[in-house]
This record gives sequence, C-alpha cells and structure tokens, in this order.
Amino acid sequence: DTGVSQDPRHKITKRGQNVTFRCDPISEHNRLYWYRQTLGQGPEFLTYFQNEAQLEKSRLLSDRFSAERPKGSFSTLEIQRTEQGDSAMYLCASSLTGMATEAFFGQGTRLTVV
Amino acid sequence: KQEVTQIPAALSVPEGENLVLNCSFTDSAIYNLQWFRQDPGKGLTSLLLIQSSQREQTSGRLNASLDKSSGRSTLYIAASQPGDSATYLCAVPAGSNDYKLSFGAGTTVTVRA
Repeated sequence: DTGVSQDPRHKITKRGQNVTFRCDPISEHNRLYWYRQTLGQGPEFLTYFQNEAQLEKSRLLSDRFSAERPKGSFSTLEIQRTEQGDSAMYLCASSLTGMATEAFFGQGTRLTVV
Repeated sequence: KQEVTQIPAALSVPEGENLVLNCSFTDSAIYNLQWFRQDPGKGLTSLLLIQSSQREQTSGRLNASLDKSSGRSTLYIAASQPGDSATYLCAVPAGSNDYKLSFGAGTTVTVRA
C-alpha cells in the first residue's frame, strides 16, 4: 500500500448531473477525511469518518452531498444535481486514530461542472 | 475559529538561495502543525509534522520551527533547487478537535535556475 488513492483524477460533468468519487485510504488508517479546495485557497474540511461512522459534517456539505464509508474501508463522496459552484479539487486524507496524528492526502479529484 | 495566514502569497528566488516561509495562526492551543507541499493540479504531500511540545523538526534540507505562544511557524528550505518550486501550505487542527485541519492559503514558490 503506497498511500491514499483517489479515483477518478479528473471529472467533467454537465450541470445537474450526479457524480461519485472514490477514496481508498492507507489500509491501517481508521480515520478518513474529505476536503474541498478551490483555486488559490487552502483545502476546507468537508467531513470525517472514524471507521464506518461519519462523525462530523461541515456546513459546506449541503444536502446535495453525501459521503459513505461502508465497512470502514474505502469511502465515496456523491454530489447530486451538480452546480457550477461545485467545481473544485476534492481531496481525501487518512490518518491513524490518536491525538492529532499525521494526515496523508491523496492526489485529489478535479471536478469541472460545465 | 482558527485562522491560518501565510505570507507572502508568492515568492521567487534564484537557485541556491535559502527559502523562508511563514505561517501564523490565531488560536495557540494547537496539538501540532503540519507543513505540506502541493504541485500544480496535484494533491498534498506531507513534509513535516511538529508536535506542540516541540520547537523544531528537521528533514533533509527542510527545517520547521514552532512558537506556539506567538502563534507562528517558519519553514526553512536550505539551498533551494528548481524542483522545490511548488505551493507550500501549513495546517493546524482546528479548535478543540484534533483531527480537522485549518489550512492557510499557501505560499507559491518559484526557484529560478
């Protein structure tokens, strides 16, 4: 296992379509996070899983967004009825459980809504 | 709410010069501070993690210092190379949570050959 893996790397979709992204964390990591990054800004926290439990969701995560982590392994982030404002880089990260452990990020999924 | 600021937003230096990147944060009650590198269109690569009890951390040509009381961290990159050109981001766990990171907007570094 060489790191956090995200798929796809790039996604272009038409406004109104649904999209789903996948993240495979480092295998022994219990914690998994999703962040969103727009051009020229730092990543912003979206949601956090401890094993299969989604423990926190940011207010940035509207009702059109849903994330799952079945069986505490890979995670999916779905965006329904995409809008142009959803265009961004979606980053997944994982870490071990413990006080403020180091977070490791994937290569991200670049979403463009046209 | 934790606010993280990185100044300058961009930096251009000739090859061989030492780089000094600054990060400041408003809430000094942090567990640790992490520095990342991001290449254009790519994800984040973790460079260094400094625990709150540490004053500095070193990895190769990289050295990061942490002054919790003043809410500052500095990343030093010695003898810069064109391959060091990237955006450097610092991040701290936000508020009472030890897992949710607050990021600065980054410093974009260009090292001229």
